[in-house]
Amino acid sequence: TQLLEQSPQFLSIQEGENLTVYCNSSSVFSSLQWYRQEPGEGPVLLVTVVTGGEVKKLKRLTFQFGDARKDSSLHITAAQPGDTGLYLCAGVWNTDKLIFGTGTRLQVFP
Amino acid sequence: SQTIHQWPATLVQPVGSPLSLECTVEGTSNPNLYWYRQAAGRGLQLLFYSVGIGQISSEVPQNLSASRPQDRQFILSSKKLLLSDSGFYLCAWSALGSPLHFGNGTRLTVT
Repeated sequence: TQLLEQSPQFLSIQEGENLTVYCNSSSVFSSLQWYRQEPGEGPVLLVTVVTGGEVKKLKRLTFQFGDARKDSSLHITAAQPGDTGLYLCAGVWNTDKLIFGTGTRLQVFP
Repeated sequence: SQTIHQWPATLVQPVGSPLSLECTVEGTSNPNLYWYRQAAGRGLQLLFYSVGIGQISSEVPQNLSASRPQDRQFILSSKKLLLSDSGFYLCAWSALGSPLHFGNGTRLTVT
């Protein structure tokens, strides 16, 4: 069974602080995706990383895929209250299946 | 453009009653379809996925079943609900090379 562990599970910070969320697995994935979910809604895709070592930036969010394609990180610079939500990593396995991480709930206070 | 519809949005059912959740996709053909369940504030557990009509793969043994009677219709069912079936159920679709697109989910409470 493929497992993706995210850390931390919960994160509560002040506006303007930086943070990093980690996503780790013992399995190798062909690609990895990051989603953000609001309460009562489905997750929405933020980014897909495909190549080992790849770094992608989306405004204040920086995503990195590990060299061995087993782990990934999401770094947010100068967090805003609008960044509040549940962040989920998801590994693509066998082209048809997406295995989700355990989730990180972020709360940014003004 | 493609859209995904999932209903109902919320459902309260007694233990032992049957369940039927429906998901339909518009604007695409032969999508991959998925049912996920999410515990409160946590990650998503893949329950079923389908790559075509009548083709269902089950990921975990459980009290639920899935069917795909039409290309863009995916149904999650149970004959007798258990308390442990409560949760947030999400339907999603993807096409080759595309990310998942989720519905807005069904909050199921089994009482």
